[in-house]
Amino acid sequence: DIQMTQSPSSLSASVGDRVSITCRASQSIVDYLNWYQQKPGKAPRLLIYAASSLQSGVPSRFSGSGSGTDFTLTISNLQPEDFATYYCQQCYSTPPEFTFGQGTKLEIK
Amino acid sequence: QLQLQESGPGLVKPSETLSLTCTVSGGSFTSSGYFWGWIRQPPGKGLEWIGNTYNGGNTFYNPSLRSRVTISVDTSKNQFSLNLSSVTAADTALYYCARLWRGYIFDAFDIWGQGTVVTVSS
Repeated sequence: DIQMTQSPSSLSASVGDRVSITCRASQSIVDYLNWYQQKPGKAPRLLIYAASSLQSGVPSRFSGSGSGTDFTLTISNLQPEDFATYYCQQCYSTPPEFTFGQGTKLEIK
Repeated sequence: QLQLQESGPGLVKPSETLSLTCTVSGGSFTSSGYFWGWIRQPPGKGLEWIGNTYNGGNTFYNPSLRSRVTISVDTSKNQFSLNLSSVTAADTALYYCARLWRGYIFDAFDIWGQGTVVTVSS
């Protein structure tokens, strides 16, 4: 099975900062990688699919990049509502077998 | 706007079967390109995919749970269900139902229910 490892596990930043979260797959997953945001007490929200495509309604300050085994979620000009936990998820396996990273908690500095 | 809502017992005894239902409203339940499924989150931990189905016949499950999981569909009620047998305390979690969007080159969980907490305890 494909393991997903995110780094860092937690991150402190200030409003207006630019931050990056990394996700590494245990084998190549091409660009079959999604990113989600989860706020406390809420369900996850799809932000980015297929590594770099922005889901409808998601602000353009969110962007995704990468391919193969290494992927990055970048948030530019951090807003107060962006402080949350972020998860990556691979969708490469056949038959489908989805795995998530362990999460990265983005906190206010 | 499509919405998903989980329902079911919040407390299940060890060795028994956990049963949850997800009701889909505000949109089509049978559109092609979409599957239905379940994801869980143990307290204070990350997300674990459980499984997905299209119509009850086309299903795929997490290999670590496959021997205990069944996901079924009732299209007449716009509902799909999760049965997880022989539960232990390790199955205590927040359970989400979600729509799986099957794109040409990707699969993504694009709509989620609010989640329901299930505790396994005697």
